[in-house]
Amino acid sequence: NAGVMQNPRHLVRRRGQEARLRCSPMKGHSHVYWYRQLPEEGLKFMVYLQKENIIDESGMPKERFSAEFPKEGPSILRIQQVVRGDSAAYFCASSHPSLQEQYFGPGTRLTVT
Amino acid sequence: GENVEQHPSTLSVQEGDSAVIKCTYSDSASNYFPWYKQELGKRPQLIIDIRSNVGEKKDQRIAVTLNKTAKHFSLHITETQPEDSAVYFCAASSQTGGFKTIFGAGTRLFVKA
Repeated sequence: NAGVMQNPRHLVRRRGQEARLRCSPMKGHSHVYWYRQLPEEGLKFMVYLQKENIIDESGMPKERFSAEFPKEGPSILRIQQVVRGDSAAYFCASSHPSLQEQYFGPGTRLTVT
Repeated sequence: GENVEQHPSTLSVQEGDSAVIKCTYSDSASNYFPWYKQELGKRPQLIIDIRSNVGEKKDQRIAVTLNKTAKHFSLHITETQPEDSAVYFCAASSQTGGFKTIFGAGTRLFVKA
């Protein structure tokens, strides 16, 4: 039973480039959540998605950030024109449609140079 | 908006002693309270959770208590071991508008051998 998968695990981008982070939920899970974690800090909620729907994006910056969870394929968090302040670990979590327990992926560590 | 406060931010105990971490939440609609353990460079892992219809839950050396009236919940670790050293996050989730989960800022636990 594969857990939540994220790729890439490490991503280096120069300022101004685009970053694409992928998350495949656990089997049977159709809810995906994205969180950002700065070094030595907590988990900040960004966005909550179900298949083909954004349910809550209240934690997502209004510009440069977008997320999707298509009918087929992984959920994608996209950051356009990255800046140094975007450097962080980005975790996704998934849950079963009728349960609240969230299980986390290994994270993608984004470094902007 | 919703908020979860967690104390202390750092906790150092001697091996074999108990450790207690406390959280308060603001959203009255919260009905699910998970606790996560995150080791350095790893993903957050769900270690125990409690629902609003239960006041206490225990699993071997860890226990959680919930006081809905006061909006407090706590994690208790007994007979601490060096491998318990990690960052612990509390969280609160409600079913209102989906399963959005708000995390506390984390407690860094050091268990000294």
